[in-house]
Amino acid sequence: DAMVIQNPRYQVTQFGKPVTLSCSQTLNHNVMYWYQQKSSQAPKLLFHYYDKDFNNEADTPDNFQSRRPNTSFCFLDIRSPGLGDAAMYLCATSSLSGLNTDTQYFGPGTRLTVL
Amino acid sequence: AQSVTQLDSQVPVFEEAPVELRCNYSSSVSVYLFWYVQYPNQGLQLLLKYLSGSTLVKGINGFEAEFNKSQTSFHLRKPSVHISDTAEYFCAVRDVGAQKLVFGQGTRLTINP
Repeated sequence: DAMVIQNPRYQVTQFGKPVTLSCSQTLNHNVMYWYQQKSSQAPKLLFHYYDKDFNNEADTPDNFQSRRPNTSFCFLDIRSPGLGDAAMYLCATSSLSGLNTDTQYFGPGTRLTVL
Repeated sequence: AQSVTQLDSQVPVFEEAPVELRCNYSSSVSVYLFWYVQYPNQGLQLLLKYLSGSTLVKGINGFEAEFNKSQTSFHLRKPSVHISDTAEYFCAVRDVGAQKLVFGQGTRLTINP
């Protein structure tokens, strides 16, 4: 089945130690998104890629970076995780056709713990 | 700017009872509307969406929602809930032609036996 896959499902890192979260998709969608969802809150968009074009949200901290080496994969890099970065990180994909983006499909998420 | 308000943070109901989860939005342009469900420690699953056409939209798991443009609402309903419907439900809006999806704060639906 076509899907959005996130690895790992659970990640523990130490304060200040760089960490990378991975997302892959078999949907062949041209748009990929990264969201941060803190406990009992709504998902918050960090950035998205349209093909290789990177689009950062204005309030996304510089500590968060992303790479998309090809259509299928997208990575979220947290350069120096702080305790406040502990959250669920959700990857989503969608297909952009003309001016309209189709529905976003979400992966299962990676829960990040910062010790 | 867009915003989404889910009026109830928690909704407890008894099994087999009907439920309505409320969602209101604000936007200066035409919008697409979505409801997603999130089970514990999982990602978001699309329940249903309104893009155009009939204002009554049917989704998975017996849910439906009605788009009311004059009241800027998109309330989610189910005539008879099951224990398995216990989850967090998110309403989301996207401006037509835009890529950004804006979520409400979520409503935690708890089904009691």
